[in-house]
Amino acid sequence: AQSVTQLDSHVSVSEGTPVLLRCNYSSSYSPSLFWYVQHPNKGLQLLLKYTSAATLVKGINGFEAEFKKSETSFHLTKPSAHMSDAAEYFCVVSDDGAGTASKLTFGTGTRLQVTL
Amino acid sequence: KAGVTQTPRYLIKTRGQQVTLSCSPISGHRSVSWYQQTPGQGLQFLFEYFSETQRNKGNFPGRFSGRQFSNSRSEMNVSTLELGDSALYLCASSQQRTSKNTEAFFGQGTRLTVV
Repeated sequence: AQSVTQLDSHVSVSEGTPVLLRCNYSSSYSPSLFWYVQHPNKGLQLLLKYTSAATLVKGINGFEAEFKKSETSFHLTKPSAHMSDAAEYFCVVSDDGAGTASKLTFGTGTRLQVTL
Repeated sequence: KAGVTQTPRYLIKTRGQQVTLSCSPISGHRSVSWYQQTPGQGLQFLFEYFSETQRNKGNFPGRFSGRQFSNSRSEMNVSTLELGDSALYLCASSQQRTSKNTEAFFGQGTRLTVV
């Protein structure tokens, strides 16, 4: 079985300061990991994905995440927050083992607030 | 290239009624998945269709069903609506079944309110 745990339901940062959104995963197979962002009344947009290539993954809008197998973590970071980054962020895992049909399993989400 | 289109965007139904939601995937995409998003349960997987076949199903009652047409468009149906079915229903499409090398693109969702 696969699962993700987002360690913070709400994170508040000041504009221009670093962002850290934490995610731990559990997977029976070699996982694919994603971060999605959801702005109010909008669908989900993919920020970045890890698919067993480089462990440091760069995404859109200056976000990046590092896959750490020893810590089963996939934390999302950004050096400098912008007001437009305020949204809900979801850490997602997808299993692709042994030919079984796969699905996306979402974390509970982290709401990022950016203040002036 | 047009994105994933879900219709309608908003829907209000009465308890006991049934509802059909539609999803048009990105052109060329053959996989369509459905998710339910609620404040209490978060995002939960409903089912996945690939080439008109249901390939995976989440833990939802039989009142939730779906289908996919030859043009990859998909519909989901909820019968005998309950208040707890009020949610944002999201559709995602991808070129193949969701896997390491494919990205799932999401529509803006259909907001269903059951009264």
